[in-house]
Amino acid sequence: DAGVTQSPTHLIKTRGQQVTLRCSPKSGHDTVSWYQQALGQGPQFIFQYYEEEERQRGNFPDRFSGHQFPNYSSELNVNALLLGDSALYLCASSSIGSGNTIYFGEGSWLTVV
Amino acid sequence: DAKTTQPPSMDCAEGRAANLPCNHSTISGNEYVYWYRQIHSQGPQYIIHGLKNNETNEMASLIITEDRKSSTLILPHATLRDTAVYYCIVRGSGTYKYIFGTGTRLKVLA
Repeated sequence: DAGVTQSPTHLIKTRGQQVTLRCSPKSGHDTVSWYQQALGQGPQFIFQYYEEEERQRGNFPDRFSGHQFPNYSSELNVNALLLGDSALYLCASSSIGSGNTIYFGEGSWLTVV
Repeated sequence: DAKTTQPPSMDCAEGRAANLPCNHSTISGNEYVYWYRQIHSQGPQYIIHGLKNNETNEMASLIITEDRKSSTLILPHATLRDTAVYYCIVRGSGTYKYIFGTGTRLKVLA
């Protein structure tokens, strides 16, 4: 049973560029959430997607956007990258069947230089 | 959203029980207590959750006080592989976001 998978695992971008991160949910899950984790901090909620719609959003600017596909996979897009966007980006999936308990992938490390 | 308070760090001898406390004094009736852990900045790993009653699974036990204002995660026989940051989270049934604090850094000593 494959868990949550994310790609790429590491990437380096230049300030001002755009980045797309990808996530495949755990088998049987239909809901995807994205979190940002800066070094030494706990993860912070960015948004959650369900039925291809953004269902809830955290306190992040519009530069952060997402998408969910019919197969429940998801993308996180960040435009106009800032140095402060350097972080571990975590995808988590869930379903009503899992009691809405979320299960995380291993994350994508983004470094902005 | 209820907030949680955890000690920043704890040590535990290998083979002994690790008891990790969490204070959530502002918790409301429909909010669950969740525990996750994170090893070496890998993705957080789900451990256990509960509403009112004590819970046990293959990884740990969760003890919630009767007034629900605090809880304790118990790892019955800690191993070196249990060294990690442990997060206590309170989540209401009407929200989809998990609010993480800075957690407790547990170090299991040989």
